[in-house]
Amino acid sequence: QLQLQESGPGLAKPSETLSLTCSVSGGSISSSNCYWGWIRQPPGKGLEWIGMIYYSGNTYYNPSLRSRVTISVDTSKNEFSLRLSSVTAADTAVYYCARRFYDTSGHYYFDFWGQGTLVTVSS
Amino acid sequence: SYVLTQPPSVSVAPGKTARINCVGHNIGSKSVHWYQQKPGQAPVLVVYDYSDRPSGIPERFSGSNSGNTATLTISRVEAGDEADYYCQVWDSSNVVFGGGTKVTV
Repeated sequence: QLQLQESGPGLAKPSETLSLTCSVSGGSISSSNCYWGWIRQPPGKGLEWIGMIYYSGNTYYNPSLRSRVTISVDTSKNEFSLRLSSVTAADTAVYYCARRFYDTSGHYYFDFWGQGTLVTVSS
Repeated sequence: SYVLTQPPSVSVAPGKTARINCVGHNIGSKSVHWYQQKPGQAPVLVVYDYSDRPSGIPERFSGSNSGNTATLTISRVEAGDEADYYCQVWDSSNVVFGGGTKVTV
């Protein structure tokens, strides 16, 4: 069974860079029919897509966050990472990593999620 | 940018049917996916491509999609179905989520 696990500091200071890693087990991050994504959820609010990456390094980012986001992949470690720069209190959220699967019918959906990790931005 | 609109809340009695709408421009031309999220837990995919279900998801969960509205239908609602539900599409190289609907049983 595929499992994803987020890791990283639970606290970030305003104006600094938030960094998280998602470790993938039970499957290969180099699967040809998968992208690997980050989604966040501020406390009490809805889901917001941040971006995603293919094992080759191809990325898609949410236009509203593009200027501050970098997603990278390390196939040798079977993990991918998120960096969000110049954070403010508005970036406080539970951050989820997830697999976006491309099925044989040509549809894409997030079928496996990590448990999520809360990152608080505060001085 | 593409916007998906969901009602904030839906209330339903046990054993009845809950319907959650997701409104977006010409959403009927898109593939719509639905996620269930219980408090303190990660979202779980319950319907994909607007009408298919992953293994382990009861047949009580079904979807439809036409025109400007996609609908998640939960038949014979149980107490365990109480959760937030989110619709999601792919538009212009972006993943878009609806604002979410809290289903109260």
